[in-house]
Amino acid sequence: AQSVTQLGSHVSVSEGALVLLRCNYSSSVPPYLFWYVQYPNQGLQLLLKYTTGATLVKGINGFEAEFKKSETSFHLTKPSAHMSDAAEYFCAVSGTGANNLFFGTGTRLTVIP
Amino acid sequence: NAGVTQTPKFQVLKTGQSMTLQCAQDMNHEYMSWYRQDPGMGLRLIHYSVGAGITDQGEVPNGYNVSRSTTEDFPLRLLSAAPSQTSVYFCASSYGTGRAETQYFGPGTRLLVL
Repeated sequence: AQSVTQLGSHVSVSEGALVLLRCNYSSSVPPYLFWYVQYPNQGLQLLLKYTTGATLVKGINGFEAEFKKSETSFHLTKPSAHMSDAAEYFCAVSGTGANNLFFGTGTRLTVIP
Repeated sequence: NAGVTQTPKFQVLKTGQSMTLQCAQDMNHEYMSWYRQDPGMGLRLIHYSVGAGITDQGEVPNGYNVSRSTTEDFPLRLLSAAPSQTSVYFCASSYGTGRAETQYFGPGTRLLVL
């Protein structure tokens, strides 16, 4: 079965500090993993995705994530938070059939000036 | 390209009323889907389509119908609205149907059922 667990529904960091958002997955097939960002009153936008190949994936806006099979994790990081990073972040895993996504419950990131 | 568009942006219904949420994409995408977003629950798949004339159920299909007569459009129908269907609804599409495809999301429709 496909599922995603995001630890921490709210994360606060100071501007310039490291951002770490946690995601653990369960998948009955080799996982394809995604991070999406949602700004207030908007739809979701892809930050990055892991399919095959390099386990360290770089995305937009300076974010990156590392696929760790042994830990079933796909944590999202950014070295230095910016005020514009304040948003809700969703981790997702692909289903076993068509391009259906199973989302985590989301983490709301607050950046403190 | 307008991308994925959804109408209306906001709707208030009374219990038992019916309505259709519209979704259209102008990217010639093969795959289209509907998700609902509820606080603390993330997004959950309602229905999806892998091409014109082909639809299937997702995680939470009860109370919703879909059809896909053209590549561009994928309307979601609520036949008899219930308060439990109060939610934010997102339509998404992707070029192909493979598991690695990136989905592009519309801006959402906020639905309140009284």
